[in-house]
Amino acid sequence: QKEVEQDPGPLSVPEGAIVSLNCTYSNSAFQYFMWYRQYSRKGPELLMYTYSSGNKEDGRFTAQVDKSSKYISLFIRDSQPSDSATYLCAMGIQGAQKLVFGQGTRLTINP
Amino acid sequence: DAGVIQSPRHEVTEMGQEVTLRCKPISGHDYLFWYRQTMMRGLELLIYFNNNVPIDDSGMPEDRFSAKMPNASFSTLKIQPSEPRDSAVYFCASSLGGVLSYTFGSGTRLTVV
Repeated sequence: QKEVEQDPGPLSVPEGAIVSLNCTYSNSAFQYFMWYRQYSRKGPELLMYTYSSGNKEDGRFTAQVDKSSKYISLFIRDSQPSDSATYLCAMGIQGAQKLVFGQGTRLTINP
Repeated sequence: DAGVIQSPRHEVTEMGQEVTLRCKPISGHDYLFWYRQTMMRGLELLIYFNNNVPIDDSGMPEDRFSAKMPNASFSTLKIQPSEPRDSAVYFCASSLGGVLSYTFGSGTRLTVV
């Protein structure tokens, strides 16, 4: 079993829809929960992160962590074609340098 | 800042040939990571360095892969001999002492035919 599981999709939704992306994990030591966005033929870029549990909001994006269920989510409101990308979840332990990534979900927002 | 610079952007080589991928990290960053991305396996950590010293190479698939960091501004990932199953996008990332400051390069797309 992988430490971090993420449905690779692809996921295709119409412009303006609410998008929900999810990951599950098995290592209860994870404390940093991050979402990266990767455009085609580019490297991943950090979109949001949450330390420990709870929610975090940044504009149209909301990240949620449920440590009891080992489940994290990223919600995108009022989705735009420019949000079309691959979204990767990543997790890390405080004091450690390695990140463990999910497989990534390819998202397409259709105009 | 120019970011993390990788070269070449694309590499096509024949099976059995030696391949060398290059990375220039962000100046001042003390950690450097090599990742491999495939459709099937996603983004996998191969090896990482701290202050030019290899810390964890447990992700290196086999002895055909080697990585070096001779100084703070340059690292190489070498595959010898290359095989078709090595075809992937190889990313280099650097950070300044923490998982929140990871910066990835644009990757090298390797195709072994």
